[in-house]
Amino acid sequence: EIVLTQSPATLSLSPGERATLSCRASQSVSSYLAWYQQKPGQAPRLLIYDASNRATGIPDRFSGSGSGTDFTLTISSLEPEDFAVYYCQQRGNWPWTFGQGTKVEVK
Amino acid sequence: QVQLVESGGGVVQPGRSLRLSCAASGFIFSSFGMHWVRQAPGKGLEWVTAIWHDGTYNHYAESVKGRFTISRDNSKNTVYLQMNSLRAEDAAVYYCAREGMTRAFDYWGQGTLVTVSS
Repeated sequence: EIVLTQSPATLSLSPGERATLSCRASQSVSSYLAWYQQKPGQAPRLLIYDASNRATGIPDRFSGSGSGTDFTLTISSLEPEDFAVYYCQQRGNWPWTFGQGTKVEVK
Repeated sequence: QVQLVESGGGVVQPGRSLRLSCAASGFIFSSFGMHWVRQAPGKGLEWVTAIWHDGTYNHYAESVKGRFTISRDNSKNTVYLQMNSLRAEDAAVYYCAREGMTRAFDYWGQGTLVTVSS
């Protein structure tokens, strides 16, 4: 099973700041990595698929990069609605797996 | 618009069974793979199982293999999760999710809560 390790666990930032979230895979997943945002009481929302492609309707302040084992989600300038938990997820090998999440909180 | 509506959650004793359903609408159900993802209270997301668009293949997380069975009825636009021999650690919100053309989970249901308690 591929283990995804996200860091940091919590990111404390102010609106307008840049957020950089990391996801590291225990073995290569090629570019088969997605990012999701989850707010309390809500289902997750797809942000990025195949490492760097924004899903439909996702603002361009969200961007993804990486391949192989190291991936990054960047939020260029945090909006109030961006404070949430973010998960990475791989489909490179079965079973598909999620990272443990990074919480982006207001500083 | 695409909608996924889960049902069937509730309180169940350890060792008992429960069947979840996910009714889909707004898209050609038989063209998409479907998954179940769960989230224990206060915890992260855990992928559980997947089924091919035509039901021919499926995959399971090790934690549920041999106890859970995914199935689908394309005539009813519904995917099911049969959960047997339930354990305390199976308690979670269970989401069904569509595997989109991008092969990511592009649509999610609102989730159904399963509580395992004596």
